[in-house]
Amino acid sequence: EPEVTQTPSHQVTQMGQEVILRCVPISNHLYFYWYRQILGQKVEFLVSFYNNEISEKSEIFDDQFSVERPDGSNFTLKIRSTKLEDSAMYFCASSESSVMAFFGQGTRLTVV
Amino acid sequence: QKEVEQDPGPLSVPEGAIVSLNCTYSNSAFQYFMWYRQYSRKGPELLMYTYSSGNKEDGRFTAQVDKSSKYISLFIRDSQPSDSATYLCAMNTGTYKYIFGTGTRLKVLA
Repeated sequence: EPEVTQTPSHQVTQMGQEVILRCVPISNHLYFYWYRQILGQKVEFLVSFYNNEISEKSEIFDDQFSVERPDGSNFTLKIRSTKLEDSAMYFCASSESSVMAFFGQGTRLTVV
Repeated sequence: QKEVEQDPGPLSVPEGAIVSLNCTYSNSAFQYFMWYRQYSRKGPELLMYTYSSGNKEDGRFTAQVDKSSKYISLFIRDSQPSDSATYLCAMNTGTYKYIFGTGTRLKVLA
């Protein structure tokens, strides 16, 4: 069964460092998303990406965040200068249409 | 008022019981309603998807949407210990942004 894959599964980084989280969406999907889940809290929308551009973003997705689809398969989330409060599970998702998103297993980001 | 509300639980039931999980919402523009299952420290797994009002059944799972009451439900029949997880409702207006509930923790006791 096709699935969304994310790497790494766990990333520890120093405050102020840049991190890149990587995702391989399901191959025939056109819509890509990043969500995050702070421990014990709900899943929160960060950004959606369609047709090589951001289609929607939340207020969390500020200038420190960027997304890219550098080739035909990968979808990345970059955090330029990490803060302690960026520590969370980051989930990539993809979908054929704007509904029914399938999620990856997540990258646990720990900022120390 | 929160956009999507969900009782966090935990909800404990004996094996074989019928489980009812619910969400309420405030935004009448929501049209698409999803239920996800999330095991500890894993990604949400899509269980059911419903458009607008009505019922949808898939195996032991039934999703119901009542747009007039702004209320959605997921029923699990013949619950199994392997159903123990957190169940998340999610909804959107047809745009790209899903709004999730906080999740209900379910424990099915053998």
